[in-house]
Amino acid sequence: GESVGLHLPTLSVQEGDNSIINCAYSNSASDYFIWYKQESGKGPQFIIDIRSNMDKRQGQRVTVLLNKTVKHLSLQIAATQPGDSAVYFCAENSGGSNYKLTFGKGTLLTVNP
Amino acid sequence: TAGITQAPTSQILAAGRSMTLRCTQDMRHNAMYWYRQDLGLGLRLIHYSNTAGTTGKGEVPDGYSVSRANTDDFPLTLASAVPSQTSVYFCASGAGHTDTQYFGPGTRLTVL
Repeated sequence: GESVGLHLPTLSVQEGDNSIINCAYSNSASDYFIWYKQESGKGPQFIIDIRSNMDKRQGQRVTVLLNKTVKHLSLQIAATQPGDSAVYFCAENSGGSNYKLTFGKGTLLTVNP
Repeated sequence: TAGITQAPTSQILAAGRSMTLRCTQDMRHNAMYWYRQDLGLGLRLIHYSNTAGTTGKGEVPDGYSVSRANTDDFPLTLASAVPSQTSVYFCASGAGHTDTQYFGPGTRLTVL
């Protein structure tokens, strides 16, 4: 079946560097994508989303890029801070009436001071 | 605004016992969801509700039941708990199928 996957399970960066977390999706019918951040012991927290009619969307220090040609999604975090250390999930909604998201398994981002 | 609240925060339960995990949202979202999160398996959907009065099965519904009597509450019941139901359970809500889902803080359940 269709699934969302992540290229890298772990990512370690230096404080102040930019981070890029990647996600591949396989359902070409997906029309909505979300990035979540999950800190240890907490629930997933919405970071940013993008719809399939867009290629790029920017938030505060974060940018999501969508490449529909190769079915690839990325999350860029500028000037990574220790507070950014967490597991990051991508999720896709393939539309339809079931209102369901399919989640990737996550990438652990560690920011070294 | 509280958003989504879950109770209890954590629970240890004897196998064979029943338990209801509570979830309440104050955002007037139509859709609500229950997930379990297990190491290496990510978030898996147990049950969902598109609107009050309706429910549907997710990816791993066996051993769980839900009800949606009103917009705000979406309890998850384990009728007879088994050790494989040891997990962290997250409730989420969303305004509709193209909107994001907002998660609660989770309930950590251990079944012995």
